[in-house]
Amino acid sequence: DQQVKQNSPSLSVQEGRISILNCDYTNSMFDYFLWYKKYPAEGPTFLISISSIKDKNEDGRFTVFLNKSAKHLSLHIVPSQPGDSAVYFCATLGYGQNFVFGPGTRLSVLP
Amino acid sequence: DTGVSQDPRHKITKRGQNVTFRCDPISEHNRLYWYRQTLGQGPEFLTYFQNEAQLEKSRLLSDRFSAERPKGSFSTLEIQRTEQGDSAMYLCASSPNGEETQYFGPGTRLLVL
Repeated sequence: DQQVKQNSPSLSVQEGRISILNCDYTNSMFDYFLWYKKYPAEGPTFLISISSIKDKNEDGRFTVFLNKSAKHLSLHIVPSQPGDSAVYFCATLGYGQNFVFGPGTRLSVLP
Repeated sequence: DTGVSQDPRHKITKRGQNVTFRCDPISEHNRLYWYRQTLGQGPEFLTYFQNEAQLEKSRLLSDRFSAERPKGSFSTLEIQRTEQGDSAMYLCASSPNGEETQYFGPGTRLLVL
């Protein structure tokens, strides 16, 4: 039973447009969320995070939105660039230091 | 800049053999994590060290798996009597105390034939 879901395995977006990646979680006790980006043959790289006391966090072109009542978060990338093409993982801090990752969404930004 | 390093990067072994992977975290990072990632899935938590103490273990970590961090610096993950289902990418990550952001290594890809 997946506790963190990313229902879109892949997403294609035109360069310069907005990319929206979605993530749903099942446990309302989760209170810290992170997004990681992964290029082939590399480990995941931290992108942005959000605590449950906030509903939005912004860092440059990246914004994460959290809707606690819907147990949903999303990552917005504006404007999208070809270098953003990667697999994006949503993750949450479960119990203790047990981080739970979603299955990932492959983003392709087309020039 | 010395990030998290893992050795080897690739390992091919026959079923039933033992394998050992090494992870060198970013220096002075107290926390160290091991994950397993299979195709089409995100990283799955295996175990967590705070300095040399192994504080958490996933139920995924069967008795064939053992991890150590003897001096609170590098860590090893050993898989005994490997099975084909152990084929995966094994990722190591580290973080400093008080920070939830993890810094991942490039991973060790294991193939069990």
